[in-house]
Amino acid sequence: EDKVVQSPLSLVVHEGDTVTLNCSYEVTNFRSLLWYKQEKKAPTFLFMLTSSGIEKKSGRLSSILDKKELFSILNITATQTGDSAVYLCGMDSNYQLIWGAGTKLIIKP
Amino acid sequence: GVTQSPTHLIKTRGQQVTLRCSSQSGHNTVSWYQQALGQGPQFIFQYYREEENGRGNFPPRFSGLQFPNDSSELNVNALELDDSALYLCASGNLRGGQGAPANEKLFFGSGTQLSVL
Repeated sequence: EDKVVQSPLSLVVHEGDTVTLNCSYEVTNFRSLLWYKQEKKAPTFLFMLTSSGIEKKSGRLSSILDKKELFSILNITATQTGDSAVYLCGMDSNYQLIWGAGTKLIIKP
Repeated sequence: GVTQSPTHLIKTRGQQVTLRCSSQSGHNTVSWYQQALGQGPQFIFQYYREEENGRGNFPPRFSGLQFPNDSSELNVNALELDDSALYLCASGNLRGGQGAPANEKLFFGSGTQLSVL
């Protein structure tokens, strides 16, 4: 059964810290791995990863995929209070879109 | 953008409900998700050019329609208390040939919060 597992489920850090969020997966037909940020209700797009070992960056956020070990990480450097949100990792696989439970990140001032 | 209606809805057990989604113009897929409090979205199904092309582990009382005018519906019959959740829709495009389709970036709506009493 295809599944996505995120860790940790919750994380509290101070402003300025660097965080690493983890996503591991089991999939029969990999198409892509997705990272989204959910602040209130509508998740917003961060990254789509299809190739192993190629880091994608957007400002203070970056992500990389390891298709051999079946995991991805999302890094956020110099965290700000506006980074507080639930971060969702999802998988496009075999006519299904499967999501992990999310990591709830809280940034304290 | 992607819009959903209504934003909130209260129903009683056994009733039927229709949730609506207006996709971003030019998109050919719409997918629907159920998100319980504190959990990740659970994939219900995806529609591609008005036909269901993928379904998660949900019973047949969850059904959908996609219309050619960028609108879609999620219908839930015989509501149960456990159906209380945030229902999200997302639109996008499917790329790639038959046998290896892949979703491009998904755009989510703000959801409908359904409470079943």
